[in-house]
This record gives sequence, C-alpha cells and structure tokens, in this order.
Amino acid sequence: DAKTTQPNSMESNEEEPVHLPCNHSTISGTDYIHWYRQLPSQGPEYVIHGLTSNVNNRMASLAIAEDRKSSTLILHRATLRDAAVYYCILSPRSGSARQLTFGSGTQLTVLP
Amino acid sequence: DAMVIQNPRYQVTQFGKPVTLSCSQTLNHNVMYWYQQKSSQAPKLLFHYYDKDFNNEADTPDNFQSRRPNTSFCFLDIRSPGLGDAAMYLCATSRVIGPSEQYFGPGTRLTVT
Repeated sequence: DAKTTQPNSMESNEEEPVHLPCNHSTISGTDYIHWYRQLPSQGPEYVIHGLTSNVNNRMASLAIAEDRKSSTLILHRATLRDAAVYYCILSPRSGSARQLTFGSGTQLTVLP
Repeated sequence: DAMVIQNPRYQVTQFGKPVTLSCSQTLNHNVMYWYQQKSSQAPKLLFHYYDKDFNNEADTPDNFQSRRPNTSFCFLDIRSPGLGDAAMYLCATSRVIGPSEQYFGPGTRLTVT
C-alpha cells in the first residue's frame, strides 16, 4: 500500500487559514487522496477527497500537486472546533475492499 | 439526526467473558465496517460487510467475529476478551465499495477488567 507522511502536529491561530501537508511519493495513478479528521472522543469524520484536480467543499479545500506526490488540506478559517487529528489516506479506486488505512495523522491545535 | 449509532458507548467486560457491541445505521448503506482504535493510535480495520458478504482483514484475530442480520445492523462479537482488546471500537458505513466517503459512529469504548 502506498504510504503517506504527515507532520505529527501543527498549530494555528483562530480565524486564520491552515495548510496541512501530506506527502505520498509512492502514490499510484488510481489512488484517491482522502482526508478524514477525528475530533476528541468522536469517530473519524470525512473531510474531502480527490484524484487529480483541486477540490473544494463546505469544509475545506484540497490542493493536489501536479505530480500527485503531495497534497495540502486547506482550512480557510480555523475555528476552535477544528482542533482534531487530521488523517491523509490513499485509497485505490477499485478493488475488493474499500480500505481506509489510517496513518498517524497530524494533531492540529487551534489557538484562541 | 444520528446516522450511525453505536451501543453502548461504554462497555466493561471481564477477562475472557464474551461481549457483543452493536451498530445500526439509518443511511441504508451497503457496506459496514468495524475498526479498532487503541489509545493514542489510529483506527485499524478489522473487517467489513458488503451487503451479506463478509471480508476479514488478514491480521484480525480469530477472537473477533461479526454478524450482519440485516442492512441496518451489524454486531462485533469478541469471544474471549483479553486485556489487549481494550480499545475504542468504531463502526462505519459507506454506500458502495469504491471511492466514497465512510460515515463513522461515535464508537464504543471497551474496558476489560
């Protein structure tokens, strides 16, 4: 399985943008890039996913490098409720199992 | 409105005493998953059901079993819990197998005494 590398932790100030990086240099051409987050004492929550083009939704934006070896999750305006562990996960487009193999993730702290 | 419901939220069992955790969903999703998350670790997939087809991860211990009597419900049975099985157990669903998001429940925290 292709692996991802994320910083262990990051800090951001409230109401400022946050850029969470993820490296995935061994990504295959059919791997989707998914981001999930896990707030304290809750189950993970889907944030966004993409294949090649940048993606936007109500929660965040996903910027994917042209060579797809890295991506960045962008929270446009961090709030205290965005403090969570953010997981960058690669998942194959097809196959018998829709597996999410979670890595260690990035612990985001949002400072008031 | 809760979409993936797990009961109970906290479960205490004794070493070696069988325990069942339950999960229900109101999303009518075809796929249901069970993950184990130990303290300060990332969730780890144990197995999943695609409709009635059961798929076990290669490294899931035989001590863990699952049942899915209908679309809405899925159970995790731990036949003989050991101290190392204390963890948060997360249930998730997705509409199809493929590039679609998974919806997670709040989890059941299992304590083994």
